[in-house]
Amino acid sequence: AQSVTQLGSHVSVSEGALVLLRCNYSSSVPPYLFWYVQYPNQGLQLLLKYTSAATLVKGINGFEAEFKKSETSFHLTKPSAHMSDAAEYFCAVSGVEYGNKLVFGAGTILRVKS
Amino acid sequence: DGGITQSPKYLFRKEGQNVTLSCEQNLNHDAMYWYRQDPGQGLRLIYYSQIVNDFQKGDIAEGYSVSREKKESFPLTVTSAQKNPTAFYLCASSVIGGRTEAFFGQGTRLTVV
Repeated sequence: AQSVTQLGSHVSVSEGALVLLRCNYSSSVPPYLFWYVQYPNQGLQLLLKYTSAATLVKGINGFEAEFKKSETSFHLTKPSAHMSDAAEYFCAVSGVEYGNKLVFGAGTILRVKS
Repeated sequence: DGGITQSPKYLFRKEGQNVTLSCEQNLNHDAMYWYRQDPGQGLRLIYYSQIVNDFQKGDIAEGYSVSREKKESFPLTVTSAQKNPTAFYLCASSVIGGRTEAFFGQGTRLTVV
């Protein structure tokens, strides 16, 4: 089955440092790609999405992600971490090879140190 | 405001009981989904529906049942056959096709007591 992999279940950065959360997908046809954020005991909020337009996608709260077909990746970055960025982040994919359903990675918990 | 409403936020179930989680949306979305979330496992799809009176099993449907009698509503029943129901349950809706994002409710935390 097609899948999505998030490298690193926990990532810790210092406030002001670069945030890099990794996501790789497995389908042969580029899927639609999404990053969501979840705060404790809440639902998921969309950060950004790639739907075959520009490969560099800008989202909310200063986050952006770059689609790289050759690497089958869609890594999430933010130049300078804030304490409020501490949350769990999920990469998700959809498309024909995923049955047009959202398939989620296992999530990465981001910790921001002061 | 448009959105998805899940209720209750917290639910406690005794052994052998069935419980029903509510999910209502006013976004006029055709597709609705139920996910189960456990620590370190991401979101796993339980059931999904793309049209009224029709639904399909997801990856972990055993011990769960759903109905889709109205476009706006997609309730999930956790039956006594589900041996490990303690989890966080999330409902979502979207336009059909996979190109657009899903919108999520605030979740229901179910605990077996």
